[in-house]
Formats: sequence, structure tokens, C-alpha cells
Amino acid sequence: DTAVSQTPKYLVTQMGNDKSIKCEQNLGHDTMYWYKQDSKKFLKIMFSYNNKELIINETVPNRFSPKSPDKAHLNLHINSLELGDSAVYFCASSWQGGYYEQYFGPGTRLTVT
Amino acid sequence: DAKTTQPPSMDCAEGRAANLPCNHSTISGNEYVYWYRQIHSQGPQYIIHGLKNNETNEMASLIITEDRKSSTLILPHATLRDTAVYYCIVRVGGYGGSQGNLIFGKGTKLSVKP
Repeated sequence: DTAVSQTPKYLVTQMGNDKSIKCEQNLGHDTMYWYKQDSKKFLKIMFSYNNKELIINETVPNRFSPKSPDKAHLNLHINSLELGDSAVYFCASSWQGGYYEQYFGPGTRLTVT
Repeated sequence: DAKTTQPPSMDCAEGRAANLPCNHSTISGNEYVYWYRQIHSQGPQYIIHGLKNNETNEMASLIITEDRKSSTLILPHATLRDTAVYYCIVRVGGYGGSQGNLIFGKGTKLSVKP
């Protein structure tokens, strides 16, 4: 069974559209994350979320919003897509805190045209 | 910003040990050293972590210097499948706020050659 899964794997869309990327984990973890990897391969944290707290990296535009219907899911919704949003987005999960390893999904490659 | 420094690239012969260095001279007493790797186009994969003592698991060994200012990840018998970017990350071992977040640097691109 896949521990952390994401859909879709590829997403091509036009500027100005709104899109969502879904993430599910079956590890029972209480914390989930979204990371962005740009064309230069830098991986940056966007959000971390558990049932108590959403931590937002201050560099993330408010067009990006995480939505968690339940503990096993953290979806990423993006409004008014821009060319610069093109990247690979990775979801991850772990137990809360800095002691525990994170498990990453396979990534979603978003291309905005 | 990342609090670690790693060489941008390294080569290793298949079957030999790969030793990947990392400097973290400003590490604090409550910060752990974590290693992840990213094989081409895949999600990062956890390898190992430690605080002060050397650690070993089925994937690798982690050697941390006594002053904790640097560490070395050792892959004992590198295979072609170990070709990846390896990230050394310093991370606070706490429960609050953003302490779980991983701050990735540029990593070391390890190429294992036949």
C-alpha cells in the first residue's frame, strides 16, 4: 500500500484557472505538509498542518490554501494560477514535531501555460 | 535558509562506500541532524537521523563529530540505485509550531558509477 499518495501526478492548466491537488496518507500521522520544488530543484516548505494548527510559510501567496477534510487528507487549492506556480508539489506526513521522519508522496508536476 | 553546507556533487564507484560530508557549525544543542535523499523525480526519502551518537540502520550509517559541527553519511556498499541528491538537514527536536518543518539546502548530488 502506498503510504502517501497524491493525485493527479501531472496537471497542465492555463493561467487564471483554479485547481486542486489531493493528498492522502494511510500512516495514521497527525501532521501533514506541502512542499514546492521549483525548476532549480529547491525544495521549500509551504504549509504544515495538524488538527490544531496551520503553519504557513510567509512567502506563500494567499492564492494557495490547504484544506483538510479529515486527518488523513490535506488538499492544496490554488486560485488564479500564474506561470510562476509551475513546479512539482510534494505532500508529506509525520507525527507532530521535529523528532519524527517525514514520508513524502510521489509529487504532482504542475505546468501553467 | 539551510543551516548546513554540503559539497554540490560527488562520485562513487559501485560497490564502494560513499561518504557524504556535511558541515553544521552553528548547530544548537537541541537540534538533530537528518539525512534525506531524492532519487530523480521522486519524493524525498528519509535515510537516518541522530543527535550526538553515531547511528546505523539498514540503509546507512551516520557519524557525528564530538563537537557536533559536522557529520558524515556513509552508504557502505553503494549501488547504481543510490544515485540521488542527498540532503543534510538540521532540525529542532521539539513539538511546537514549525519545528517539524524540513528546511532543505542544495544537497549533494551523488553519482554512483559502474
